[in-house]
Amino acid sequence: ETGVTQTPRHLVMGMTNKKSLKCEQHLGHNAMYWYKQSAKKPLELMFVYNFKEQTENNSVPSRFSPECPNSSHLFLHLHTLQPEDSALYLCASSQAIGGLAGDEQYFGPGTRLTVT
Amino acid sequence: GQNIDQPTEMTATEGAIVQINCTYQTSGFNGLFWYQQHAGEAPTFLSYNVLDGLEEKGRFSSFLSRSKGYSYLLLKELQMKDSASYLCAVRVVMDSNYQLIWGAGTKLIIKP
Repeated sequence: ETGVTQTPRHLVMGMTNKKSLKCEQHLGHNAMYWYKQSAKKPLELMFVYNFKEQTENNSVPSRFSPECPNSSHLFLHLHTLQPEDSALYLCASSQAIGGLAGDEQYFGPGTRLTVT
Repeated sequence: GQNIDQPTEMTATEGAIVQINCTYQTSGFNGLFWYQQHAGEAPTFLSYNVLDGLEEKGRFSSFLSRSKGYSYLLLKELQMKDSASYLCAVRVVMDSNYQLIWGAGTKLIIKP
């Protein structure tokens, strides 16, 4: 248990569906992240929020829409996804972003997403 | 560009020692992390190096040479539970923005 929870753990959705992934951290951290993990590929950073403000958007398609209502909660809204979006979506949090020794990220267990 | 290389897969024997290498070509180096990820689980933090040298934590040690763009994770007295993927990540800073660059991970298989 890392202190970061994600729901749902598994999700199967059609290309016309709309769904949301939820992440919650109980660590009092100020930064939260969404990553995409595909088999045998490096983790792909999608979005970063620092003190609820989005600081990074790595050219993610608009069919992925993040929301950070407070520093403990992070959502990823999904709509009209493509089969190639099937992957493990990981949420992470850290005390701060960069510049500090050991500002390591704590990951949730991920949501295994399958787009049919 | 920013790039990290790790072996895709390694095999080792229970009780032995294994060294997992990571080489990186990045600009704005600001620290290197190692994470462990068991199949179907979240990555968990193992170690952090920002200065050259060896950091030891129990059975795990991590080494960094900034001049060579090289790090390794050393696992001693291997146990079956050490079977996992090991991810190397380099933190870089550009224009005061920090970013983590991730390697694809090394899958470590421990055999009895």
